[in-house]
Amino acid sequence: DGGITQSPKYLFRKEGQNVTLSCEQNLNHDAMYWYRQDPGQGLRLIYYSQIVNDFQKGDIAEGYSVSREKKESFPLTVTSAQKNPTAFYLCATAVRGVNYGYTFGSGTRLTVV
Amino acid sequence: KNEVEQSPQNLTAQEGEFITINCSYSVGISALHWLQQHPGGGIVSLFMLSSGKKKHGRLIATINIQEKHSSLHITASHPRDSAVYICAVKSDSNYQLIWGAGTKLIIKP
Repeated sequence: DGGITQSPKYLFRKEGQNVTLSCEQNLNHDAMYWYRQDPGQGLRLIYYSQIVNDFQKGDIAEGYSVSREKKESFPLTVTSAQKNPTAFYLCATAVRGVNYGYTFGSGTRLTVV
Repeated sequence: KNEVEQSPQNLTAQEGEFITINCSYSVGISALHWLQQHPGGGIVSLFMLSSGKKKHGRLIATINIQEKHSSLHITASHPRDSAVYICAVKSDSNYQLIWGAGTKLIIKP
């Protein structure tokens, strides 16, 4: 079955450490997205990529980095520069074009202690 | 004003009640998503709509494109339906997702 794999579901890290969240898809979708959700808040766009080797900053890109070396993979690194990294992170993909929606991963809950 | 508004923000009901959650949007869209998030849990995609109505089990989603409005209904609600329900629309101009703030639903036994 095609889908998005985000791993792990729960992740704990010490303050000051970089951490990379995985997002892998086998849907052959061109576009991939990372969103962040804080408790009681809506989701906000961190980074997105519409083709391999290209990505764009979203609304809250500071303290994050991404790469898109393969169509299937769009890892998100939360760097030590991100002041409040504890949050829920959601990866999504989409086919370019008007008539298609998005497909969503189940998310990774990151806690920095 | 937000481009995607959900109502109510919070909803508490008794088990068995018929539940309606609303989503209004102000932009042109090519698709609308309803998603579910349990406390401390991940996100589950419930429906994607571009017109009409979809049903899955006790869940029904409708969309009225002319009125820019969608509803999510839950029939015979159960405590396990307690979750945050999120509406998100795919803009037809830049294909980006615009998220609603979510509706927190609590179903009491």
